[in-house]
Amino acid sequence: KQEVTQIPAALSVPEGENLVLNCSFTDSAIYNLQWFRQDPGKGLTSLLLIQSSQREQTSGRLNASLDKSSGRSTLYIAASQPGDSATYLCAVRENSGYSTLTFGKGTMLLVSP
Amino acid sequence: NAGVTQTPKFRVLKTGQSMTLLCAQDMNHEYMYWYRQDPGMGLRLIHYSVGEGTTAKGEVPDGYNVSRLKKQNFLLGLESAAPSQTSVYFCASSSRTGNLYGYTFGSGTRLTVV
Repeated sequence: KQEVTQIPAALSVPEGENLVLNCSFTDSAIYNLQWFRQDPGKGLTSLLLIQSSQREQTSGRLNASLDKSSGRSTLYIAASQPGDSATYLCAVRENSGYSTLTFGKGTMLLVSP
Repeated sequence: NAGVTQTPKFRVLKTGQSMTLLCAQDMNHEYMYWYRQDPGMGLRLIHYSVGEGTTAKGEVPDGYNVSRLKKQNFLLGLESAAPSQTSVYFCASSSRTGNLYGYTFGSGTRLTVV
């Protein structure tokens, strides 16, 4: 059974810092990996989607990398801002007959002014 | 705006009552899903559907039923609500391949069973 782990569970940084969130998964046979953002009391917003054949994806100040063979992904946030404060979730879609996602429990990020 | 719409957004039920949560998507996605999110447990799949008229069980299906009579709608039913079903419920959809946009989630339904 696929398991997804996110480290750290919580992170607090001052504004302007660059930071890295980590995601690991136990079964490397994935179809793709998706990073989401969730604000308190809100739904999930997709940030980046990386296909299994890709190494990284970038969107603005966000960069996500994927090392499928080692079962790891990182989300890099450059020049963090208070508005980046949220919970970040990593999810993998496996190579199976149906496309469900397995989620990590998330990293709660707080960026202080 | 295109996306996934969930109704209602909030609901309080008494133990034993029934209710239906509605999910609607306008992206012509084939796949639809119902997840629940609980503190410390993360998101867990309840049921999913790979097309109109088809449904299947996910990780935590007990106490729930689903129906997908139309491609754009996916209903989640609780026949006899229990306090253990207090949770935030999210609906999501994706295309068959999901290779362009991945999953799209609704804004959630916060359900409290007393």
